[in-house]
Amino acid sequence: GESVGLHLPTLSVQEGDNSIINCAYSNSASDYFIWYKQESGKGPQFIIDIRSNMDKRQGQRVTVLLNKTVKHLSLQIAATQPGDSAVYFCAENIKNTGNQFYFGTGTSLTVIP
Amino acid sequence: GAVVSQHPSWVICKSGTSVKIECRSLDFQATTMFWYRQFPKQSLMLMATSNEGSKATYEQGVEKDKFLINHASLTLSTLTVTSAHPEDSSFYICSARDPQSLNYGYTFGSGTRLTVV
Repeated sequence: GESVGLHLPTLSVQEGDNSIINCAYSNSASDYFIWYKQESGKGPQFIIDIRSNMDKRQGQRVTVLLNKTVKHLSLQIAATQPGDSAVYFCAENIKNTGNQFYFGTGTSLTVIP
Repeated sequence: GAVVSQHPSWVICKSGTSVKIECRSLDFQATTMFWYRQFPKQSLMLMATSNEGSKATYEQGVEKDKFLINHASLTLSTLTVTSAHPEDSSFYICSARDPQSLNYGYTFGSGTRLTVV
């Protein structure tokens, strides 16, 4: 599969602070990205997506930024809550290769009450 | 919203036996489903794309004779781990997309934890 992300990093933040989770991708042909949240023992849950013709997209408490020049995207979570503690993955779809998504390594977010 | 159900959620089997995992789209039809494998504290690795009525497409390095995929209907795909060995112990997750969904996000099942002893 494609290479998205590096080793699994961890991030600890205080409740109420903002969190920034980063993801690097390697394929310049990737044109659609999704951020997923995975809680322990469960399948991933869709958070937010972004297409390559955009550089920013906002949802409820979350913002995704895409920098195609350096092949980097980030997920910003505002006012982080204990329920946000989970592993976060970015996933990419490569243009004209089908509907499959390839996942990055993931970041484990721990929110400290 | 779209719901994808996996069964069983947890299975223990003896080395050398085969295990079948089911993935169902409960309220939508899915011509394509995806199977992933996840080891502890690691990412999801795409194993194969399951296509209704045709052969599955396997990712490089995934043994198609070991991981048999059958997508016999628009709501059911199965993954059979044949002659399982301890190194096949993993978390297997399927996903599918509801074509009626407003976004392109795929819905994931809750996963199946396989332990081979």
